[in-house]
Order: sequence, then structure tokens, then C-alpha cells
Amino acid sequence: GAVVSQHPSWVICKSGTSVKIECRSLDFQATTMFWYRQFPKQSLMLMATSNEGSKATYEQGVEKDKFLINHASLTLSTLTVTSAHPEDSSFYICSANGGFAEAFFGQGTRLTVV
Amino acid sequence: GENVEQHPSTLSVQEGDSAVIKCTYSDSASNYFPWYKQELGKRPQLIIDIRSNVGEKKDQRIAVTLNKTAKHFSLHITETQPEDSAVYFCAASISAGGGNKLTFGTGTQLKVEL
Repeated sequence: GAVVSQHPSWVICKSGTSVKIECRSLDFQATTMFWYRQFPKQSLMLMATSNEGSKATYEQGVEKDKFLINHASLTLSTLTVTSAHPEDSSFYICSANGGFAEAFFGQGTRLTVV
Repeated sequence: GENVEQHPSTLSVQEGDSAVIKCTYSDSASNYFPWYKQELGKRPQLIIDIRSNVGEKKDQRIAVTLNKTAKHFSLHITETQPEDSAVYFCAASISAGGGNKLTFGTGTQLKVEL
């Protein structure tokens, strides 16, 4: 199947700083990528849809100024958590389809804000 | 938007028994229903999926059934093994080429006991 690579796998940052997470489709082009957040023992919740060459579409309740998404190429989308706070600590995971019905997920990023 | 409900939240079975997890969805336009297995701290793994033009699909010990009229679908695992222990998520989406925005169920913690 197709491969989606996400980096970093884990990151610890200080409160108030920003963190960038990268999501790459390695062997296919993805005009659309999705970013999810998963709190411990909870489900994956869609945060936003990342569209290549245009603005991301955010789900209700997700602050677009806090979670900056850039999809500058057909193989890369980035999520930047700005001014991170402890409540932003979570597992962030991206996915892409590349025209297939099946979604391919990145490895996920465990963010801990201290 | 789509809403997916999943039951039960926890399920304990004896090794060799069958396990059944049920989901309902709200959007009649949804046409793609994947099931994922997620181990702690890892990305979701697709274990089986079904499209709305099919009522049942089977892959070795795993099967999924779909009732479009009632808007519910179920995962059946037969001859359970300890390695089946994990969290299982159902999801629903409208599959349309470039992107698959998945709405996940709340998850089922399956424990297979020896």
C-alpha cells in the first residue's frame, strides 16, 4: 500500500513555544490530507482538511490561528501548533488517500507540552 | 455532519470465541465504511472495509456486514486470539476521489483472555 510518513514521532516542548509536524506521502501525490487529534483513550477527531495550494478547512471548534496548516506541495502538509499549552498535549496523526478509498495514516506524533 | 456511534466500549471474550462490534451512522450519503485496529501509541491499521454497494465482506477470521437501510454495520471476529486484543474503531465517509474525510466511532477495547 501507499506510505505516509510523519515526523517527529514524539516531541516535548515548553509552554508558549511552537511545534511543527510534517506529513509526507512518499510514493503518491495527495491533493488532500487530513489532520486528526487523539486524546488518551479517546477516538480520532478530525481537526482539519489540508488542501494543496489553498487554505485548510477546519472543523468546528478548532482554532485556525492556533493550528496552522500549510500544504505547499502534493507530497507535504505541515501542522504547526502555535503557543502550545499543556492542554494541547495529544497524539496528532495525518492521513492521505491519493485517489484511493483507503486512508493511509502517518505514524503519529506524540506532543507533550510542559 | 456525519455522526458514528459504536458499541460496546469494552469487550472481553475468551480465546476462541467470537467478538462482535456494532456501529451506526447518520449520513445516508456515506458510502465507505472501514474498520481499524489500533495498538497503544501506534497508527490505526485498516483491517477490513466495505462499500455501500456490498452487504457483506469476509477476510479469513474477520467479516463486516452493512445494512444501508438501517444505517448500521458490524465487525465480526471469529476464533479470537490474544493478539486480537486492541482498540477497534469503525468509521464512515463519503469516498470521492481525492479525499476521504473519516468520521470515527468512539472505539471498542477488545480483550481476548486465555
